[in-house]
Amino acid sequence: NAGVTQTPKFQVLKTGQSMTLQCAQDMNHEYMSWYRQDPGMGLRLIHYSVGAGITDQGEVPNGYNVSRSTTEDFPLRLLSAAPSQTSVYFCASSFLQGGYNSPLHFGNGTRLTVT
Amino acid sequence: AQTVTQSQPEMSVQEAETVTLSCTYDTSESDYYLFWYKQPPSRQMILVIRQEAYKQQNATENRFSVNFQKAAKSFSLKISDSQLGDAAMYFCAYRIERGGADGLTFGKGTHLIIQP
Repeated sequence: NAGVTQTPKFQVLKTGQSMTLQCAQDMNHEYMSWYRQDPGMGLRLIHYSVGAGITDQGEVPNGYNVSRSTTEDFPLRLLSAAPSQTSVYFCASSFLQGGYNSPLHFGNGTRLTVT
Repeated sequence: AQTVTQSQPEMSVQEAETVTLSCTYDTSESDYYLFWYKQPPSRQMILVIRQEAYKQQNATENRFSVNFQKAAKSFSLKISDSQLGDAAMYFCAYRIERGGADGLTFGKGTHLIIQP
């Protein structure tokens, strides 16, 4: 059981480049989300999805796009990378049914550096 | 805006002793869940303990327990018999129970150092 798998683990981009961070889960979770972690800031929600075809913005969505074509996958796209997007990115998923006491399962994170 | 405050950026404790990490939160919601996550240097986010707001009994998981004071909006984590492997960042978080899916709101974390 792989849980939540994020790729890549590390990435360096130049300003203006685009890239996609991949996230896949094999637990049949309806809810998937992306967070960014910056020093001294905790984790902040970027985008989330409650099922295939449904996405919504979190606290810090600017500069990021998401889509959810399948239950398993929830990629995060940076269309034109900026140094302010240098961060560690986490994908997390959980069940929705039964209420929100279903804890989030996190991937191992992607460290992104934009120069 | 809903917020989570961890007032201790860093805590240090001797191995085998007990330490308490503080957390307060601000929400107008009545139904929610509270969590403590541990993040070791490996960067992995590990769930330590969780508490339903409607339950008065404090949650416990082995050496980890919470002191949940709903009226005071306080949710502290007590680690008993501290071990070297407990050294990590600890994040307090809550999740609202309602029709949306706003995910977790996190505090900024407490860095826990275990002195051998």
